[in-house]
Amino acid sequence: DTEVTQTPKHLVMGMTNKKSLKCEQHMGHRAMYWYKQKAKKPPELMFVYSYEKLSINESVPSRFSPECPNSSLLNLHLHALQPEDSALYLCASSQVLGSNTDTQYFGPGTRLTVL
Amino acid sequence: DQQVKQNSPSLSVQEGRISILNCDYTNSMFDYFLWYKKYPAEGPTFLISISSIKDKNEDGRFTVFLNKSAKHLSLHIVPSQPGDSAVYFCAASAYAGGTSYGKLTFGQGTILTVHP
Repeated sequence: DTEVTQTPKHLVMGMTNKKSLKCEQHMGHRAMYWYKQKAKKPPELMFVYSYEKLSINESVPSRFSPECPNSSLLNLHLHALQPEDSALYLCASSQVLGSNTDTQYFGPGTRLTVL
Repeated sequence: DQQVKQNSPSLSVQEGRISILNCDYTNSMFDYFLWYKKYPAEGPTFLISISSIKDKNEDGRFTVFLNKSAKHLSLHIVPSQPGDSAVYFCAASAYAGGTSYGKLTFGQGTILTVHP
């Protein structure tokens, strides 16, 4: 089983709203990732968690706030977003960070629209 | 600097024939390569991978070839089926060791269309 689930599937929010994206995996993976993907572009890495600790922040604006409550869950808290933040947000997980044969498995994504 | 390149934005193939998707890379530190398939508005689905110690890996209809000297990899799909129509991304990672990580670097993707 290589399933990563994400909720909600679609989200529309105003620029003053606060919302959260959720990601869950039950594969025992210890690395979890947030990516952003714009249309016709490859995924762009945002954050990486390893053993529930933030390992990588790819210079993401503070209006995006990640959280890893436990080894199976990953959240992305959104506040005061801009219309240009509209994109497909993807969660991924892998067994362990830094292994040279580590495969990342992606969730279905949350389609975010900021009005 | 685009370290992973998929020079063909699109590829059209007849059902039953072979599809060959190509990918070139410039970073000689890359040592693990993956192919993902993506349908619109869905997350990428892992297809197949290859380590730099190999030159070929096969899984059912999918075969990935790696030519390290040319810094080139390809994905062969035989026989192609209409359900294979999707965007295909190649990705590469470099094991940096220690507290570093195998960040995935993606190509721009190739749209494969398989006609019945």
